[in-house]
Amino acid sequence: ETGVTQTPRHLVMGMTNKKSLKCEQHLGHNAMYWYKQSAKKPLELMFVYNFKEQTENNSVPSRFSPECPNSSHLFLHLHTLQPEDSALYLCASSQGTLETQYFGPGTRLLVL
Amino acid sequence: AQSVTQLGSHVSVSEGALVLLRCNYSSSVPPYLFWYVQYPNQGLQLLLKYTTGATLVKGINGFEAEFKKSETSFHLTKPSAHMSDAAEYFCAVSEGVAGNTPLVFGKGTRLSVIA
Repeated sequence: ETGVTQTPRHLVMGMTNKKSLKCEQHLGHNAMYWYKQSAKKPLELMFVYNFKEQTENNSVPSRFSPECPNSSHLFLHLHTLQPEDSALYLCASSQGTLETQYFGPGTRLLVL
Repeated sequence: AQSVTQLGSHVSVSEGALVLLRCNYSSSVPPYLFWYVQYPNQGLQLLLKYTTGATLVKGINGFEAEFKKSETSFHLTKPSAHMSDAAEYFCAVSEGVAGNTPLVFGKGTRLSVIA
């Protein structure tokens, strides 16, 4: 499989659940990103990892917890989310943080 | 810090007509500029990018954009719209090699193509 893949593609969870989103890139890139895309809002950068080290956290609530075990995999662990967290969560990767980003298809999350 | 403004959250054109999506940016250093497209239920796909060199950049699907430093603009055009061009388009800016901040995206412009 090529490019950036994300699983699951759709997720419905209650506010007390714990779930994880997975992203995998097959491009040999060193940087990976999590974005949140809500209706009628700009893309919000959540986290940046470069060579497995977190380099940016844009004031994201602690109920979102990223994990980057290696340069090819990125997780977003979710717990005690709120309905306003319902959105499309996009993963991206790039060779370096200044290079072109390649996006996965996203996980559509609905929090009930 | 960089910022991006996309004029018009929704643009509607007839099939075969010119497509013009506007993007203005703010950057304190020479920028890298990007246009991405997002089709329904999909992630973002790179259309084209400007880093250095020729200011008229050609991308996929017949799109092109011109970097105009004096106007701080990077408008996206296509001579003749096709139904398959209906999507959301995002302009983005980075500080390039002069900075260390990843992409900043505009709010997006939804393009509708009328038959």
